[in-house]
Amino acid sequence: QKEVEQDPGPLSVPEGAIVSLNCTYSNSAFQYFMWYRQYSRKGPELLMYTYSSGNKEDGRFTAQVDKSSKYISLFIRDSQPSDSATYLCAVVNTNAGKSTFGDGTTLTVKP
Amino acid sequence: DTEVTQTPKHLVMGMTNKKSLKCEQHMGHRAMYWYKQKAKKPPELMFVYSYEKLSINESVPSRFSPECPNSSLLNLHLHALQPEDSALYLCASSQGSTREKLFFGSGTQLSVL
Repeated sequence: QKEVEQDPGPLSVPEGAIVSLNCTYSNSAFQYFMWYRQYSRKGPELLMYTYSSGNKEDGRFTAQVDKSSKYISLFIRDSQPSDSATYLCAVVNTNAGKSTFGDGTTLTVKP
Repeated sequence: DTEVTQTPKHLVMGMTNKKSLKCEQHMGHRAMYWYKQKAKKPPELMFVYSYEKLSINESVPSRFSPECPNSSLLNLHLHALQPEDSALYLCASSQGSTREKLFFGSGTQLSVL
């Protein structure tokens, strides 16, 4: 079993839609949860970072963590064509020095 | 300055060549990393440097040789690579070495012929 499973996509939505991207993880020892955005032929860019259950909002982006279900989500409101990218979830267990990426979900937002 | 700068952006090399990838950051981060990323796959960790010392080598073949000349610079020396080593090579840095909040460079797209 993979340590992190990410909804594979690809996902195609019209401009203005609400997008939900999701990952589940298997080990409750993971403490930190990140979402990275990667444009084609570029390096990943850290979008959201959280370490507790609940919601964290930054502009049009909301990261949600449910530690009891081992489930993390990224919501994008009012999606824009510029949001078209691959989104990677990542989890970190600092005690074990372990970090794992999901496989990524490719999102296309159509004008 | 929140940038990680990687050079070159593209590299084509033969299997007998020796080349180097370079990475630089000026954020005062104490950990630097090399990742390898194949198309449609997530980044895979290769090496971790913490306070300029190699702390993690993820069983990477010896044809890849990392070097950290100082706290701002990271190199990856390449020698006798195979075509299957063709990939995007990403450098990243972070404040600590526990890999939260990674700052990535744009990568070097490497093709081995």
